[in-house]
Amino acid sequence: NAGVTQTPKFRVLKTGQSMTLLCAQDMNHEYMYWYRQDPGMGLRLIHYSVGEGTTAKGEVPDGYNVSRLKKQNFLLGLESAAPSQTSVYFCASRQTGSTEAFFGQGTRLTVV
Amino acid sequence: KNQVEQSPQSLIILEGKNCTLQCNYTVSPFSNLRWYKQDTGRGPVSLTIMTFSENTKSNGRYTATLDADTKQSSLHITASQLSDSASYICVVSARFGNEKLTFGTGTRLTIIP
Repeated sequence: NAGVTQTPKFRVLKTGQSMTLLCAQDMNHEYMYWYRQDPGMGLRLIHYSVGEGTTAKGEVPDGYNVSRLKKQNFLLGLESAAPSQTSVYFCASRQTGSTEAFFGQGTRLTVV
Repeated sequence: KNQVEQSPQSLIILEGKNCTLQCNYTVSPFSNLRWYKQDTGRGPVSLTIMTFSENTKSNGRYTATLDADTKQSSLHITASQLSDSASYICVVSARFGNEKLTFGTGTRLTIIP
C-alpha cells in the first residue's frame, strides 16, 4: 500500500516552460488536492477534486490547470512556468466522511 | 473568512524538556481540528483529531486540548526527543463544505541535544 505518490520529486524549469506533476493514490479516496507550500505561508490550496471527472479552484489557482480523468490520479499542469511558481507542491487525498488528509512526499519545483 | 493562526512561529528547546504549541481559529461552523506533524522534506502526517465535544486527547507524549468556546487548541509535547524536531500544523474543518481544510502556517520546533 503506497498511499499517495508524487512524480517527480524535484524539477528545475526555465521561465515559460510547461510541465505536469502527477499524483497517484491507491486508497480509493474520492477527494484529491493540490497544495503549494512556501516559507512563512503554510499550505495553500491550488485546485481540488471531489471525484473522478470533477475539478474546482482553490485559493491560488492562477497559472495552474488540473485534470482527474481517473479516480486514482490527479494531474497538476503549469502551461507557462513563472519564477513565482517556485515552491514545494503537495498532493493529498481524503476519503468521503473523513477529514484526515493523506499527503504525498512533495515535489520541489524551481523556476529560473 | 476562515482563519487558523499558530504560535509561536518557531521554537527551540533542549531535549527532554516539555513545550506547548498554540492554535487559534475562526472557522465556522466548526467540525474538528487536527494536528499534523511535518518532518523536513516530507508531507504532513496526522497526529490527532479533536472534535467539538473533546477537551483533551493524548497520543503517547503528545497531548492535544481544545476549548471550543474560545476557539483555541494546544499541543503539548512531553519529554521531547530529537525526533520531535518538525513543523506542527493545525488544520480545522468546517461542518459543511468540508472539501476544503483551513491550514495554519505551522510552528517549526527544533530539539537540541
